[in-house]
Amino acid sequence: DTAVSQTPKYLVTQMGNDKSIKCEQNLGHDTMYWYKQDSKKFLKIMFSYNNKELIINETVPNRFSPKSPDKAHLNLHINSLELGDSAVYFCASSSPYNTGELFFGEGSRLTVL
Amino acid sequence: AQSVTQPDIHITVSEGASLELRCNYSYGATPYLFWYVQSPGQGLQLLLKYFSGDTLVQGIKGFEAEFKRSQSSFNLRKPSVHWSDAAEYFCAVVLNAGNNRKLIWGLGTSLAVNP
Repeated sequence: DTAVSQTPKYLVTQMGNDKSIKCEQNLGHDTMYWYKQDSKKFLKIMFSYNNKELIINETVPNRFSPKSPDKAHLNLHINSLELGDSAVYFCASSSPYNTGELFFGEGSRLTVL
Repeated sequence: AQSVTQPDIHITVSEGASLELRCNYSYGATPYLFWYVQSPGQGLQLLLKYFSGDTLVQGIKGFEAEFKRSQSSFNLRKPSVHWSDAAEYFCAVVLNAGNNRKLIWGLGTSLAVNP
């Protein structure tokens, strides 16, 4: 059983489209995160949810909207995709919040053409 | 401002050689300290962590790290590198500001292993 699973693993789409990435964790963790990793491998926190409540919302364009239907799921919806959104998006979970011990999914590589 | 520095962007070692990856942080108090590894096409995996106590910590895959308070460093070491260790390595710290914990990442060190 994969602890943190993301779908899809690869996503290729045109500029202007809307897309979603789904994440599920079966670790029973309270906190889930979305990270963006650019082509230089730099990791940037985007959002953090603790028990379905938004905790961190970094300076991310409002085209990005997270949604946590329950504490095992954190989805990321992106509207009006731009070229600069091309990156690998990682979902992660931890318990308790932000102890630094994160479990990561395998990533979703988004390519915007 | 608090920061995590990994001075080496890229390191190449020969298989069987020893390895040391450097990590320095700037913060007044002792943070929680972590090393993560990211194999090609994979997510990040926790190698080891330091919260308190013994300053030499053992991790998975034969890695260890030593916390040196005087140098604000937490360097990662392995006595004999295997080809499968080729990956990106990230140092991270959690700054303990009461309930407002903040996780800060280094920029990573890319490790290549020559046969």
